[in-house]
Amino acid sequence: GIQVEQSPPDLILQEGANSTLRCNFSDSVNNLQWFHQNPWGQLINLFYIPSGTKQNGRLSATTVATERYSLLYISSSQTTDSGVYFCAVVQDSNYQLIWGAGTKLIIKP
Amino acid sequence: EAQVTQNPRYLITVTGKKLTVTCSQNMNHEYMSWYRQDPGLGLRQIYYSMNVEVTDKGDVPEGYKVSRKEKRNFPLILESPSPNQTSLYFCASSPGGSNTQYFGPGTRLTVL
Repeated sequence: GIQVEQSPPDLILQEGANSTLRCNFSDSVNNLQWFHQNPWGQLINLFYIPSGTKQNGRLSATTVATERYSLLYISSSQTTDSGVYFCAVVQDSNYQLIWGAGTKLIIKP
Repeated sequence: EAQVTQNPRYLITVTGKKLTVTCSQNMNHEYMSWYRQDPGLGLRQIYYSMNVEVTDKGDVPEGYKVSRKEKRNFPLILESPSPNQTSLYFCASSPGGSNTQYFGPGTRLTVL
């Protein structure tokens, strides 16, 4: 099955810093999503990005499908950005999302 | 507002007492699924449904049942809960295929 690896596993930054989170996947995919799990446990959709680049405010994402990786950029970090960031890809046979282990981001004031 | 709702959000129960976690979506999505999230194990799929009356097992279906009698609802049933089912549960829905999947707010279940 598809393997999804995220790096780094942990990231501690000062407020205002920029960061890049990486997601590698082992096979071609038709769906890749980025999520933010906040400290209360809620999963928040950030991007649906099987290929190309998207931006939403301070966040942007790029997926290079041919090279099997995706990057999530967070600029001018705020304490509310803290939490765990997951990427997940679809396993086409049953549309199950296959999840990476996540990147735990802590933004210090 | 387009959303996936789950109830209850928090539940503490005892071993063997049947419970149901409801999931409802208002986006007319065909595909719905349930995941559980456990520390160190990530999110794992329990059951999924491609459409009304069509359900199938995910990776960890033991101890759970589901039904899909209506397009909008996909309840998760624990007939005899056990402590190893203590977890954070998420319901998700999607138009199907490789489209965006939308998640409910989660249900924290503790089985004593």
